Amino acid sequence: DVKVTQSSRYLVKRTGEKVFLECVQDMDHENMFWYRQDPGLGLRLIYFSYDVKMKEKGDIPEGYSVSREKKERFSLILESASTNQTSMYLCASWDSYNSPLHFGNGTRLTVT
Amino acid sequence: GQQLNQSPQSMFIQEGEDVSMNCTSSSIFNTWLWYKQDPGEGPVLLIALYKAGELTSNGRLTAQFGITRKDSFLNISASIPSDVGIYFCAGLYGGSQGNLIFGKGTKLSVKP
Repeated sequence: DVKVTQSSRYLVKRTGEKVFLECVQDMDHENMFWYRQDPGLGLRLIYFSYDVKMKEKGDIPEGYSVSREKKERFSLILESASTNQTSMYLCASWDSYNSPLHFGNGTRLTVT
Repeated sequence: GQQLNQSPQSMFIQEGEDVSMNCTSSSIFNTWLWYKQDPGEGPVLLIALYKAGELTSNGRLTAQFGITRKDSFLNISASIPSDVGIYFCAGLYGGSQGNLIFGKGTKLSVKP
């Protein structure tokens, strides 16, 4: 079974802090994604990566950056956290078009 | 942009009843995925569909890829209390890894 592991289940950070959300997958998948999930808005794509050191903006990249130095690891960075970035963050990985997207358990981030 | 309309938004059913939910769009999709999300957890894949007309079962769950490629439905037979959660559809269109969009979810509550 594919395993996507997010390093933290819950995080509480202060406004202005730099925040790192880490995600690791164990199936050698090429593609990795970061989404945020908010009530009433569903899942929104922040960034995705289709290879090491490659990244593409999703629908809501503002205020975020990403890093993919190794194939198995995709990090989401909030350079200066703001309260409107309080949300559930979901990482996912994907092999190819004929295989499904697999999610991690999520990180619930609260910015105070 | 592309949109998925998932309905119903929420439903209350009696234990033992059958449940049906669907996703529709004006766009054509290559893949349909159905997920379930429990509170505080990441979405878990239930069923993946890759061909128009495909009908796939997973235990009490059955999903179909619409012939027009613009819709998909998920049925749950003989619902039980642990079926409670939010069910999401996701559709993949086009040739880019970022072209996966999600429905807003159907919240299922079961009366024991």
